[in-house]
Amino acid sequence: AQTVTQSQPEMSVQEAETVTLSCTYDTSENNYYLFWYKQPPSRQMILVIRQEAYKQQNATENRFSVNFQKAAKSFSLKISDSQLGDTAMYFCAFMKHVRSYKLSFGAGTTVTVRA
Amino acid sequence: EAQVTQNPRYLITVTGKKLTVTCSQNMNHEYMSWYRQDPGLGLRQIYYSMNVEVTDKGDVPEGYKVSRKEKRNFPLILESPSPNQTSLYFCASGSGLDEQFFGPGTRLTVL
Repeated sequence: AQTVTQSQPEMSVQEAETVTLSCTYDTSENNYYLFWYKQPPSRQMILVIRQEAYKQQNATENRFSVNFQKAAKSFSLKISDSQLGDTAMYFCAFMKHVRSYKLSFGAGTTVTVRA
Repeated sequence: EAQVTQNPRYLITVTGKKLTVTCSQNMNHEYMSWYRQDPGLGLRQIYYSMNVEVTDKGDVPEGYKVSRKEKRNFPLILESPSPNQTSLYFCASGSGLDEQFFGPGTRLTVL
């Protein structure tokens, strides 16, 4: 079974600053997918960014970028120029391969952006 | 609008009273799944379905049932709810290629 570990239960960042969330995972698979989901106070789960393990290039979506270290099984999320609307819980998730359809989630990191 | 809907959004019930949480998607997705979210544990998969009449257990299936009679619907059934099933429940659907789309969540309290 895959395990996903988020070691930071809570983080706080000043508006316009940068924050990095850590995620490590354990798997014996070679091809898989990694995701970061955002859950704001509305509780809606929103996909922030995805990374395919076979791609060496780190994924980027506007102010969100990842540092994917396959050998270290590490998948951190960097939020640049933090905005008040980024305040949310962030979940790291692992999917074994295409059509496995099982997401394994970490425990989550609550990010608070201070004005 | 492409979406996953769940009903009800909030439910308070008593131990042993059967309940059903409905889930429907309008994206013609083959795959649907149920998760529960508990503090400190993230989301854990309860059951999933790869197509009509094809369902399988996830990580925490005890106390739950599902059915997939139509492609768009995937109800979650608690035949005899207990207080340890108090949780936030999410339905999700996907094409199986990458992203899963989540419903708005159902907050269930079992007294």
